[in-house]
Amino acid sequence: GAGVSQSPRYKVTKRGQDVALRCDPISGHVSLYWYRQALGQGPEFLTYFNYEAQQDKSGLPNDRFSAERPEGSISTLTIQRTEQRDSAMYRCASSLQVRDTIRDSPLHFGNGTRLTVT
Amino acid sequence: AQTVTQSQPEMSVQEAETVTLSCTYDTSESDYYLFWYKQPPSRQMILVIRQEAYKQQNATENRFSVNFQKAAKSFSLKISDSQLGDAAMYFCAYRRARNAGGTSYGKLTFGQGTILTVHP
Repeated sequence: GAGVSQSPRYKVTKRGQDVALRCDPISGHVSLYWYRQALGQGPEFLTYFNYEAQQDKSGLPNDRFSAERPEGSISTLTIQRTEQRDSAMYRCASSLQVRDTIRDSPLHFGNGTRLTVT
Repeated sequence: AQTVTQSQPEMSVQEAETVTLSCTYDTSESDYYLFWYKQPPSRQMILVIRQEAYKQQNATENRFSVNFQKAAKSFSLKISDSQLGDAAMYFCAYRRARNAGGTSYGKLTFGQGTILTVHP
């Protein structure tokens, strides 16, 4: 597709269940990012990948959160044993990163998955 | 750590008028990028304009322009000839130019957002 695709668009789950959120980046984009956006707030960085390698996971709030990108394209963000405080919009973004260049690689965001934990 | 502050939770403007959204940031870096993103009710996250810190000239994109004051760490967005379609939440964001390894680093730090209402 032309843009970053995320699924599902909405996810309602019960506390304690595991959820998996999917991101399909723009074809050819090397870098992939996950952000979390609470209602009425700006997005907060969670983690990012270059190809299949997870470069930075400093934003993951705790060990219930994990992400993978096994083939360097589609990524999955998994939240285990969900809690009500995990309710938020989860956004994925990708960029065409060129190594060792000063040229900016703008982020292209998906429309997000709105997660509600009841 | 870098921080981005948008001190105006809400702003309003009459159609065809001009409005300015404020943003300040804190960083010890000298090379970085600044962005304004628009988030309409459709949930998209749309890049409005971006500024490279090493460029003194303020960025302009049609009706959107910025006032970048590097010494003051201020980055305001001016919307001229406001249109109904400009109504959205606007986020200011900061990004380091590169990490220690020399590769581009795309982690953004966002402000809290400003809700812009446009009155007909």
